[in-house]
Amino acid sequence: EAGVTQSPTHLIKTRGQQATLRCSPISGHTSVYWYQQALGLGLQFLLWYDEGEERNRGNFPPRFSGRQFPNYSSELNVNALELEDSALYLCASSLGDDRVYGYTFGSGTRLTVV
Amino acid sequence: AQSVTQLGSHVSVSEGALVLLRCNYSSSVPPYLFWYVQYPNQGLQLLLKYTTGATLVKGINGFEAEFKKSETSFHLTKPSAHMSDAAEYFCAVSGFQGAQKLVFGQGTRLTINP
Repeated sequence: EAGVTQSPTHLIKTRGQQATLRCSPISGHTSVYWYQQALGLGLQFLLWYDEGEERNRGNFPPRFSGRQFPNYSSELNVNALELEDSALYLCASSLGDDRVYGYTFGSGTRLTVV
Repeated sequence: AQSVTQLGSHVSVSEGALVLLRCNYSSSVPPYLFWYVQYPNQGLQLLLKYTTGATLVKGINGFEAEFKKSETSFHLTKPSAHMSDAAEYFCAVSGFQGAQKLVFGQGTRLTINP
């Protein structure tokens, strides 16, 4: 069974540009979660998508947005990139109630803003 | 609201020694608790989880954790450390159904000395 896949693995962008990160969940998982792991800040919850809808959002500005497609894959968009957006972005998926099953994480996309 | 505190951002033990990584949580509802491990340049892997029932939970790679409600703790232990255990470990709590997000601690980096 394929795990959670994220692309690209690395992404280098210039300040002010836009970045698009992609995530494919495990087959059968309908929920996708995005986390930001910045140096020294731990994992910060960004977004939760389920059945194509945004269900919850962390404390991030609106320039962080995303969507979930009918096949449950997801895209995270970061507009007007700032230097402090440099981080590892982790996607996770879950089968139903995440309290019972926990999350399965992808290997992440490392975004570097220069 | 839920929160997690991991005591010690960095723990160092000798190979063969006991590993103890501390986690305390705050939750207004019965918590669901998780430990994840992150190896360099990888995503997070689920080590073990507590949902309900037995308070001593066994996970992969010889790790176990005990849920102590009176102490609001969920410490991770392993009787004998191995060099391959060197990684970063994250404790997480999930509470409200519908909130559908895990709240992570800041992480503890475990170093194993030969």
